Amino acid sequence: DAGVIQSPRHEVTEMGQEVTLRCKPISGHDYLFWYRQTMMRGLELLIYFNNNVPIDDSGMPEDRFSAKMPNASFSTLKIQPSEPRDSAVYFCASSLSGGYNEQFFGPGTRLTVL
Amino acid sequence: TQLLEQSPQFLSIQEGENLTVYCNSSSVFSSLQWYRQEPGEGPVLLVTVVTGGEVKKLKRLTFQFGDARKDSSLHITAAQPGDTGLYLCAGKAVSSSNTGKLIFGQGTTLQVKP
Repeated sequence: DAGVIQSPRHEVTEMGQEVTLRCKPISGHDYLFWYRQTMMRGLELLIYFNNNVPIDDSGMPEDRFSAKMPNASFSTLKIQPSEPRDSAVYFCASSLSGGYNEQFFGPGTRLTVL
Repeated sequence: TQLLEQSPQFLSIQEGENLTVYCNSSSVFSSLQWYRQEPGEGPVLLVTVVTGGEVKKLKRLTFQFGDARKDSSLHITAAQPGDTGLYLCAGKAVSSSNTGKLIFGQGTTLQVKP
């Protein structure tokens, strides 16, 4: 079975450019989460969706960040304009409601903003 | 704000030693999970504990959920270099039992030297 798929795996861009990160959750999962991980702040929840609807975006740093989930098999996280402090590893995870909501993570996108 | 505090943050030991990692909170959790993350990958679920006082064993790893469901511990016996990684605890708060959201600890970085 395919796990959570993220693309690209690595992204290097210059300050001010737009960055789009992509995620395909596990088929049948109804929750999708976007996290950011840094050494200083650990794993931070940015936003999560349930049945393609954004439920909690209180972790989104500022208006430069936006996320969409147009259908059950695809989500994007966009940063516009990007800044050096956005450099981090961004993870997408999915889970199934009911039970204990174990989350399955993708391999992450390492973003470097120069 | 519900928090999960992990200790220690960093641990460097020799192969064959035993260690314990702690995950504490002032909040009650309906379930608690432990994840391990290796460099360049996303976190992977190790175990879920759901009952106060529950103990689960996974080979050389022993997980315990506190009686009051506010804390948990991970004990590794005879650590091996393959145990090296970031260990994260994550809890499903009782107050958010109808959501898929998990609260993650800051993580414990373990290095096991041969």
